[in-house]
Amino acid sequence: ETGVTQTPRHLVMGMTNKKSLKCEQHLGHNAMYWYKQSAKKPLELMFVYNFKEQTENNSVPSRFSPECPNSSHLFLHLHTLQPEDSALYLCASSPGLAGAHEQFFGPGTRLTVL
Amino acid sequence: AQRVTQPEKLLSVFKGAPVELKCNYSYSGSPELFWYVQYSRQRLQLLLRHISRESIKGFTADLNKGETSFHLKKPFAQEEDSAMYYCALFIQGAQKLVFGQGTRLTINP
Repeated sequence: ETGVTQTPRHLVMGMTNKKSLKCEQHLGHNAMYWYKQSAKKPLELMFVYNFKEQTENNSVPSRFSPECPNSSHLFLHLHTLQPEDSALYLCASSPGLAGAHEQFFGPGTRLTVL
Repeated sequence: AQRVTQPEKLLSVFKGAPVELKCNYSYSGSPELFWYVQYSRQRLQLLLRHISRESIKGFTADLNKGETSFHLKKPFAQEEDSAMYYCALFIQGAQKLVFGQGTRLTINP
């Protein structure tokens, strides 16, 4: 599959569960991002990775833990979430090079926390 | 402060009417701006970027540095233009995009 893929597409979890979201990009990009999209705050940047190094943590609670093992893969590990964490979680990638700053988005994972 | 403001949360126009979605930015450096669109049940996708000075699906956007604006325009709206539109500003150094709150555009038949 081309572009940015995310799995699972839908996830329902209890507050005591541990789960992980996966993102994979097939574009040869060097930067990857996690966003949270909810009705109350449409698009919130969570984490930024450039060349596998985390370069931004936008005051995200520690119950969200990102992992970037290589430039093509990005994970978001979830544990002891709250119902207000229910949202669409979007992954994006960008070339990370000078003059190429547009981001390409995945379809998202719809997360419901019970 | 680095900020993107889209003053209209909702915008509704009739088919065939002109459309303008407003975007203002605050940035001390040289701005690089984008418009993204999210159609119902589809992923967020790039619509256009100011450096390309292109027209996509009939939409254009001109960067006005004096007014710090990057409004999105289309002379004749179509029903398939109904979507959520986000304006975004690239932040040098941080290598990230700052998005506005978005405008939900509805085109009425």
